[in-house]
Amino acid sequence: AQSVTQPDIHITVSEGASLELRCNYSYGATPYLFWYVQSPGQGLQLLLKYFSGDTLVQGIKGFEAEFKRSQSSFNLRKPSVHWSDAAEYFCAVGVGGNKLVFGAGTILRVKS
Amino acid sequence: GAGVSQSPSNKVTEKGKDVELRCDPISGHTALYWYRQSLGQGLEFLIYFQGNSAPDKSGLPSDRFSAERTGGSVSTLTIQRTQQEDSAVYLCASSFGLGRQETQYFGPGTRLLVL
Repeated sequence: AQSVTQPDIHITVSEGASLELRCNYSYGATPYLFWYVQSPGQGLQLLLKYFSGDTLVQGIKGFEAEFKRSQSSFNLRKPSVHWSDAAEYFCAVGVGGNKLVFGAGTILRVKS
Repeated sequence: GAGVSQSPSNKVTEKGKDVELRCDPISGHTALYWYRQSLGQGLEFLIYFQGNSAPDKSGLPSDRFSAERTGGSVSTLTIQRTQQEDSAVYLCASSFGLGRQETQYFGPGTRLLVL
């Protein structure tokens, strides 16, 4: 069955430091992968998505993600974190039936 | 409107009462989705609509949950005889078309608390 694993429930980084959020997926067909961000009390905002082609995907707010088929991973990165990046981040895979299957989320804390 | 809107933003109800949650998708979006976000279960798919029909209702947790969509636009999620385990944030999303590659745009959610 399809699933998404985000191994880190919480991550704390210093402002200006680099960030990597991990995501592993399990899906039998070609994965369509997404990263969403959710600020407190807000809905989900799409950061970036991968369907095919270049395995390094650029998104909004300076985020990027790299698809690695051999590792079934789609890790999210940002070279320099800003305090406004503090939020919860969700990795998701698009599966048959037009559903999104989400990971449990990673809460990012940014310390000044 | 510019984005997906949901109402009410918060709802407190007593166990056993019925509730209706409303979603207004982005204009022109043909597909509409409902998800539930709860502490114990994370983000779960409930149902999606293509136009006014719901090809996939597999995520509805029980027959107390139902949803409809009218005019290919507004959707209502109804929970009958609410239980405390129904407390969650109910998120609605819409997309321009169908397909695994389509971006789903999410509303702010309705936070439901069942006492």
